[in-house]
Amino acid sequence: NAGVMQNPRHLVRRRGQEARLRCSPMKGHSHVYWYRQLPEEGLKFMVYLQKENIIDESGMPKERFSAEFPKEGPSILRIQQVVRGDSAAYFCASSREGNVLTFGAGSRLTVL
Amino acid sequence: GENVEQHPSTLSVQEGDSAVIKCTYSDSASNYFPWYKQELGKGPQLIIDIRSNVGEKKDQRIAVTLNKTAKHFSLHITETQPEDSAVYFCAAVSGGSYIPTFGRGTSLIVHP
Repeated sequence: NAGVMQNPRHLVRRRGQEARLRCSPMKGHSHVYWYRQLPEEGLKFMVYLQKENIIDESGMPKERFSAEFPKEGPSILRIQQVVRGDSAAYFCASSREGNVLTFGAGSRLTVL
Repeated sequence: GENVEQHPSTLSVQEGDSAVIKCTYSDSASNYFPWYKQELGKGPQLIIDIRSNVGEKKDQRIAVTLNKTAKHFSLHITETQPEDSAVYFCAAVSGGSYIPTFGRGTSLIVHP
């Protein structure tokens, strides 16, 4: 039973490029969360999704960031026109019915 | 929304000593309190959790206590070992929200 799978583990982009981070939840989990972690900071909530629905995106910047969790395939966090301030670790978590989250290993984005 | 404060930010102990990490929350509707351990370069892992209908929960060397009146909860690790060295995060989930709000983390260092 594989855990939450995130890829890529490391991504380097130049300013202005697009970054796509993928997350496959644990088997049987239909809730997906994305969090951002800056060095020596906590986990900041970005977005909460269920299959084909965005439930809460209150933590997501209004511009350049979007997320989806299609009926088939992984959840994707998309960052357009990346800036240096987007450099961070992005963690995906999944749960069966909310509350008890299982995290992936994270995707570390570096913007040059 | 919920706000979680966590102290201390760094905790250094000798092997065999006890370690205590404290968190406070602001939303009286919060009813679920997980603790996560994050090792360097990895995603957070759930180590113990407690729900608001319970005052204390123990799992081997780890225990969590909850004081709903004061809105604070604590993680206690006894007989610490070097492999306990990691960053620990507390979180609170408000009833019906399904979205954990995390504290800023405590870096625990256990010296052999």
